[in-house]
This record gives sequence, structure tokens and C-alpha cells, in this order.
Amino acid sequence: EVQLVESGGGLVQPGGSLRLSCAASGFTFINYEMNWVRQAPGEGLEWISYISASGSTIYYADSVKGRFTISRDNAKNSLYLQMNSLRAEDTAVYYCASDMGAAHRGLFDHWGQGTLVTVSS
Amino acid sequence: DIVMTQSPDSLAVSLGERATINCKSSQSVLYSSNNKNYLAWYQQKPGQPPKLLIYWASTRGSGVPDRFSGSGSGTDFTLTISSLQAEDVAVYYCQQYYSTPWLTFGGGTRVEIK
Repeated sequence: EVQLVESGGGLVQPGGSLRLSCAASGFTFINYEMNWVRQAPGEGLEWISYISASGSTIYYADSVKGRFTISRDNAKNSLYLQMNSLRAEDTAVYYCASDMGAAHRGLFDHWGQGTLVTVSS
Repeated sequence: DIVMTQSPDSLAVSLGERATINCKSSQSVLYSSNNKNYLAWYQQKPGQPPKLLIYWASTRGSGVPDRFSGSGSGTDFTLTISSLQAEDVAVYYCQQYYSTPWLTFGGGTRVEIK
């Protein structure tokens, strides 16, 4: 069974940092492109970052570029999101999601349960 | 960015009746070289992550009941639930993956039981 389990969320002050993790199991992680998607409370979905299977190709939404860093450790079947210079508008549930890749790139077939990040003083 | 606009924001439908959700993209998501629409629909039930329902505008995902159907092309798309069941109460999002990786979602449509 495919499982994605996020962790690392919590309450942080504006300007602070957090590192989110996503532990993957039940599939061959090294073969999958991965993404982070967030959802502000009561709001819709926002794609924020993509990383290729090897980690060599990375993209960010403009809203987080320069502040967030996506990475992965294929030996540990883990995906990460380092979040710096956090703002109140970064408050959201953060989901990791596996990408179907290739001809289906951009489609997310598995999602974690999410981890809540709250940015507030 | 391709802007996705859904309507209505919410709708209430009686059990067994049809529910129809619309999605409009700010530019065409039809890729001419393969004649495919890069449009997906996701279902998000309360307290759960989204679930992929439909892709290529009309292809149902794995295990998705056939009461769910997608249609449309270019910039205008529709998700139809032919006979609403209690378990279909959720928020539904359209998503374009034409400009991958810069994906965008619609604002969501909440479906409730009347």
C-alpha cells in the first residue's frame, strides 16, 4: 500500500523557519517525481514545488521562490521542504504528492494526510 | 499562469439527482499534437487529502465509480455526477496540467445534499 506521511509542521513566528518531511513507503520512491501542494484554511489548493526523481530538476511557484527549498533523499525514501522567511500567508496544510510522471506528469495519484503550518506571533 | 475558474461555488442536490460543476480555463489546455485536454478533477472529502477522479478531461481514475463523468474541450469543462450519493459530499477541484510543472487549480465547488 502506498503511504506518504508528512511531519514537521507546527506554530512558527513570522520570519522563522521550518523543515517538513514526507516519508514514502509502498512504492519505488526513487522512480517517482514528487510535489508539495498547500491549502490555506478554508481555501483551495496551491501547487508550490516539484522535484524530479533524481532530484536534478526543481521548480517553485513564485509565491515561495527564494524562500523554500525542496529536496529528497532517495536512500531514505524521503522528501523535504525547507521553509525560511515564513509569512502569515504561508499558513496552510502542506501535502506531499506523488506525480504520475512521463505522459501523465502533473497528475497526483497519491497524497499524504498533510501537516499544518501556522505562522503567527 | 493559467487561471482556472469554477462555478458554482457550491450546490445542493437531492440524493439520486444530477450534479453539474463547471470549470473554465483562461487559455486552452488542449494540446494540439496529441489532441488531449490537460484537465483533471479531484475530490476532497472533509478532513482528507484530494483524490484524483478524472484526467484527460474525461478518463476516470482507478476505482472511480461510473456515475462520475467529465466532458469538455479547450477552455470549458464539466464534471457530472449522474446520481448523487451521500458519499459524494465533498469539494471538487479542477486542475490544469497543460503548463506543468506550473499547475493551477480552480477555487473548488462544494457539493452538499439538499
